[in-house]
Amino acid sequence: EIVLTQSPATLSLSPGERATLSCRASQSVSSYLAWYQQKPGQAPRLLIYDTSNRATGIPARFSGSGSGTDFTLTISSLETEDFAVYYCQQRSNWPRTFGGGTKVEIK
Amino acid sequence: QVKLVESGGGVVQPGMSLRLSCAASGFTFSTYGMHWVRQAPGKGLEWVAIIRYDGKNEDYADSVKGRFTISRDNSKNTLYLQMNSLRAEDTAMYYCARDFKKGSYFDDWGQGTLVTVSS
Repeated sequence: EIVLTQSPATLSLSPGERATLSCRASQSVSSYLAWYQQKPGQAPRLLIYDTSNRATGIPARFSGSGSGTDFTLTISSLETEDFAVYYCQQRSNWPRTFGGGTKVEIK
Repeated sequence: QVKLVESGGGVVQPGMSLRLSCAASGFTFSTYGMHWVRQAPGKGLEWVAIIRYDGKNEDYADSVKGRFTISRDNSKNTLYLQMNSLRAEDTAMYYCARDFKKGSYFDDWGQGTLVTVSS
């Protein structure tokens, strides 16, 4: 099973700041990585798939990069609605696995 | 628009069974694979099971293999998860999710149904 490790566990930032979230895989997942956003009491929402492709309706301030074992989700300028927990997920191998999450909180 | 509505959760004792349902609307259900994903209270996400669009193939996480069965009724636009021999560690919010890119990702999710296994 591929283990995904996300860092940091918590990111404290102010609206308008840039957020950089990391996801590291225990083995190469090529470019087969997605990012999800989850707000309290809500289901996750797909943001980015295959490393850098934005899902339908996702604003351009969200971007993804990386390959192999190291990946990054960048939020260029945080809006108040972006404060949430973010998960990465790989589709390289079965079972599909998720990272432990990064909470982006208001500083 | 896509709508997925889970039901069937509740409180059960260890060893008991429960069947979850997920009613789908707003898309052609019979042409999409479907998943169950769970989230223990305060924890991260865990993929549970997948079923192919026609119901002819499925796969499971090791943690539930042999105890859970995913199925679907395309005539009713409904996905199911039969959960047997439930354990305390199965306590979680259970989400149904639509498959995106042929078993790869999850592009639409229901709001979840909570399963609590406790004596």
